[in-house]
Order: sequence, then C-alpha cells, then structure tokens
Amino acid sequence: DAKTTQPPSMDCAEGRAANLPCNHSTISGNEYVYWYRQIHSQGPQYIIHGLKNNETNEMASLIITEDRKSSTLILPHATLRDTAVYYCIVLLPSNSGYALNFGKGTSLLVTP
Amino acid sequence: NAGVTQTPKFRILKIGQSMTLQCTQDMNHNYMYWYRQDPGMGLKLIYYSVGAGITDKGEVPNGYNVSRSTTEDFPLRLELAAPSQTSVYFCASSRGQTNSPLHFGNGTRLTVT
Repeated sequence: DAKTTQPPSMDCAEGRAANLPCNHSTISGNEYVYWYRQIHSQGPQYIIHGLKNNETNEMASLIITEDRKSSTLILPHATLRDTAVYYCIVLLPSNSGYALNFGKGTSLLVTP
Repeated sequence: NAGVTQTPKFRILKIGQSMTLQCTQDMNHNYMYWYRQDPGMGLKLIYYSVGAGITDKGEVPNGYNVSRSTTEDFPLRLELAAPSQTSVYFCASSRGQTNSPLHFGNGTRLTVT
C-alpha cells in the first residue's frame, strides 16, 4: 500500500470550509483513497473514499488530482464538532481484507 | 443495530495477568479487526479475520491471540500482560468487499501496571 503524507495540524474557523490535504505520490492505479476521522476518545469514523473521480456525500467532498498523487478532503461548513484527527489512507483491496494502516493523521481544530 | 460493541470499556491489569477483550458485531460482517492505539499515535493492526475460523496476523501481533468461532464475535486474548500493552484497543468490522468501510467500536482502555 502506498504511503501518505499529511500535515500534523490545521486550524479552521467555524462555518468556513476546511481543506485537508494528503500526498500519496506512490499510489498505484488500483489503490483507493480513504478518509477516516477520530474524535477524541472515540473509535475512528469512516468519512469518504474514492478511486479516480471526485466524490461527495453528506459529510464531505473528496477531490483527487488527475495524476492521483494527492487529494483533498473538504468539509464545506466546519463546525466545532468536526474537531478531530483526520486520517488519509491509501489501500489496495485484497482477498485478505481491508487491514488499514493508519498513520498519525492531521489534527483539525475548528475554532469559534 | 448496535454496530460494533466492545467490553469492557476500561480495565487495569497487573503484570503477568491475563484477560480477554470482547468484541461483537450485529451487522453480519465477514471481516473483523483488532487495532491498538498508543497515546498520540495512529492505529496499528494486531490481528484480523476474513471469516469464521480464519485469522491472520497484522503489524503487531506479539503478546496477543485471537479466535473467530462465530461471525459475530472476535475476542482478543492477552496471556501475560506487560506494561508495553498499555493502550486503547479498537475492534472493527467490514463487509470486506470493495468499497466497504470499516465500522469501529468505541474502544477498551487498558492499563498494565
């Protein structure tokens, strides 16, 4: 699985869009990009994933560059409850399952 | 659906004691996982299972054992607890098919002294 690089921390004002970058320059053609987040003391929560196309759901949007070497998770209107650690994970699904390798992620602080 | 349920939520063990962390899911997921998270760090995979009767090691399996006798349950066993096993343990499950996300429990906080 390709490695990912994320900034260790970011700030965002409440109500503004939070744009969280992720670099995955060694990604291969069939590897997916997943985003999870972890609110303090809770289990990680799935946000969104994609392969090549941009994706949007009720929580966020995922923008993947055309060369797929980087992506951005967008929380369109950040709230205080979005304060969490966000993990970008690149994974090639296999018959062995979805054993995700989490790194340290980006700690997002949403301020009033 | 309750999702993924872990028990206990907290536990303090003495060095050398043993215990079993329980994990059960009611989503009929084939794939289940155990992770540990040390303070300020990301999650590391301990063991995983792709179905009843099948288990495999993850990144940090030493000091742990698992079993998967049913689809619903995936207990994690610590035989001889060591201070290095002080951590928060998370269980997760997924359908295991392409595009299926992991569903996590709320963790067990274990301290070994």
